[in-house]
Amino acid sequence: GGIITQTPKFLIGQEGQKLTLKCQQNFNHDTMYWYRQDSGKGLRLIYYSITENDLQKGDLSEGYDASREKKSSFSLTVTSAQKNEMAVFLCASKRGREQYFGPGTRLTVL
Amino acid sequence: SQWGEENLQALSIQEGEDVTMNCSYKTYTTVVHWYRQDSGRGPALIILIRSNEREKRSGRLRATLDTSSQSSSLSITAAQCEDTAVYFCATDVGGSNAKLTFGKGTKLSVKS
Repeated sequence: GGIITQTPKFLIGQEGQKLTLKCQQNFNHDTMYWYRQDSGKGLRLIYYSITENDLQKGDLSEGYDASREKKSSFSLTVTSAQKNEMAVFLCASKRGREQYFGPGTRLTVL
Repeated sequence: SQWGEENLQALSIQEGEDVTMNCSYKTYTTVVHWYRQDSGRGPALIILIRSNEREKRSGRLRATLDTSSQSSSLSITAAQCEDTAVYFCATDVGGSNAKLTFGKGTKLSVKS
């Protein structure tokens, strides 16, 4: 088995701040994803990466940067946090047709 | 994605009842995934149905797929309180395209 670890679990930021979320997987999967989930809503794809150093934009990439320097890790940066923003950011990796999700990072911007 | 901005549909049932959740999709897909998300956790795949299958069962779960109407359903037989969760369908075109498109989710509450 394997696991996806997301750090931090909770992130509180200030308006305009640059914030970085990290994701590690030990499945040895090639493809990884970042999703955003607002409270009571579905998942929106921000970025994904099909291999180390590859980046592909999702539907919601504006306002975010991503980095895949190693196969096992995928980072997401909020370039300028928006006031009163609250969401959960979910990282996933993929084997075959199945995506495996981490527990999420809950972001609150004051 | 369009569905990601939509509020979850809410369904509340009593323990022991059967329930069906529906999903419609707009683009071509080779597979429909059904994911379950428990509170405070990431989604987990519970059943996957391919375009050449009309029905797939797993325990008390039954998924159907109608490619002509671009719709899928997930049924739970004799729901239990532990079935309380959010359920999403997702589609993908397969091949080299790695994207999964999540549909509108359903928040299911099963009460004792």
